[in-house]
Amino acid sequence: NAGVTQTPKFQVLKTGQSMTLQCAQDMNHEYMSWYRQDPGMGLRLIHYSVGAGITDQGEVPNGYNVSRSTTEDFPLRLLSAAPSQTSVYFCATVNRFYEQYFGPGTRLTVT
Amino acid sequence: DQQVKQNSPSLSVQEGRISILNCDYTNSMFDYFLWYKKYPAEGPTFLISISSIKDKNEDGRFTVFLNKSAKHLSLHIVPSQPGDSAVYFCAASGGQGAQKLVFGQGTRLTINP
Repeated sequence: NAGVTQTPKFQVLKTGQSMTLQCAQDMNHEYMSWYRQDPGMGLRLIHYSVGAGITDQGEVPNGYNVSRSTTEDFPLRLLSAAPSQTSVYFCATVNRFYEQYFGPGTRLTVT
Repeated sequence: DQQVKQNSPSLSVQEGRISILNCDYTNSMFDYFLWYKKYPAEGPTFLISISSIKDKNEDGRFTVFLNKSAKHLSLHIVPSQPGDSAVYFCAASGGQGAQKLVFGQGTRLTINP
């Protein structure tokens, strides 16, 4: 089992560009989420999904869109990248004991 | 408003000694607490958790203590090993949407030989 995979590992964008961060899981977990990690701020929840077709906002949703058409995939879209979105992004799934399994992360730089 | 706080950004401990990492929370609705360990360039990995109905949970070298009245939890690692050097995050959840975790800022633990 691959667990949670994320692509790409690294990305550099110019201000105003758009892109999609991919996340896939093979653990058959219903719940998936996206976090961003910034120095001194821990991990902050961007968006989450409790199942296919259902998404909701987390703590810091502005500037990001998500969709969940399948159980396996949960892509995160940056609509118009800004330097404030420079961060490391983690996708995670949750099992029935509320233990989260994280992907390896995508390091994004917006110039 | 930081609902989960780890006030020590870093901690240095000698190999073989006890490492104690602390975490405070403010939201009384939190009823489940977790610790995650993170190595550079990797995602966090689950370490140990505790429900609010308990005050202690042990797993090998790792023990988590919960003091609900003080809204404080701690992670004890005994004995500390070089491979324990990492960033440790505490996280909390509770009420509706229990899968939504609130994370602390993290503590960087360095184990010295």
